[in-house]
Amino acid sequence: QQQVKQSPQSLIVQKGGIPIINCAYENTAFDYFPWYQQFPGKGPALLIAIRPDVSEKKEGRFTISFNKSAKQFSLHIMDSQPGDSATYFCAARGGTSYGKLTFGQGTILTVHP
Amino acid sequence: KAGVTQTPRYLIKTRGQQVTLSCSPISGHRSVSWYQQTPGQGLQFLFEYFSETQRNKGNFPGRFSGRQFSNSRSEMNVSTLELGDSALYLCASSSGLAGNEQYFGPGTRLTVT
Repeated sequence: QQQVKQSPQSLIVQKGGIPIINCAYENTAFDYFPWYQQFPGKGPALLIAIRPDVSEKKEGRFTISFNKSAKQFSLHIMDSQPGDSATYFCAARGGTSYGKLTFGQGTILTVHP
Repeated sequence: KAGVTQTPRYLIKTRGQQVTLSCSPISGHRSVSWYQQTPGQGLQFLFEYFSETQRNKGNFPGRFSGRQFSNSRSEMNVSTLELGDSALYLCASSSGLAGNEQYFGPGTRLTVT
């Protein structure tokens, strides 16, 4: 029940395309859902996060869509650029687990010029 | 503000040895969480310290331990190293309060030979 399932494992798009990464969870106690971006040799960097009281959140070219009833959320990257090529992780946290994030397995995104 | 710092950045140890990794959180943050990242298992939560107390713990053997000092700096220790402990060890800093965001350091790359 603690798992977060992420798909696809890898994704290739052309510059300007809109890659979409999906995550699903089981634990209904989860109430905070962040996305992280990680470049090789670096730690994960927080991109954007959402809570279940909203269905969508946008920050720049990044948008999270959240479907509470389906227990799914997704990341959309508008007008993708080669510099967006990285590994993306979804995560979830809830209840009293303030410092414990449960991560998806990651998606390797490649944006071709 | 300075970001999360981790030392050392790289470490090579031999099976059976022990190792101590250090993490300095963002100024004002009282929570430090530790994660292990491997290609096979992804990002897995080790433990979280808040105000010098372990608040959450993941499913790792007792060889993995940690502590937090009064200035919020944290150390994690791994005793009797195994080849499978080779990984990127990441620490994340946050305020420790409900709804807080976690910010990751660059990680310590541990190689066990």
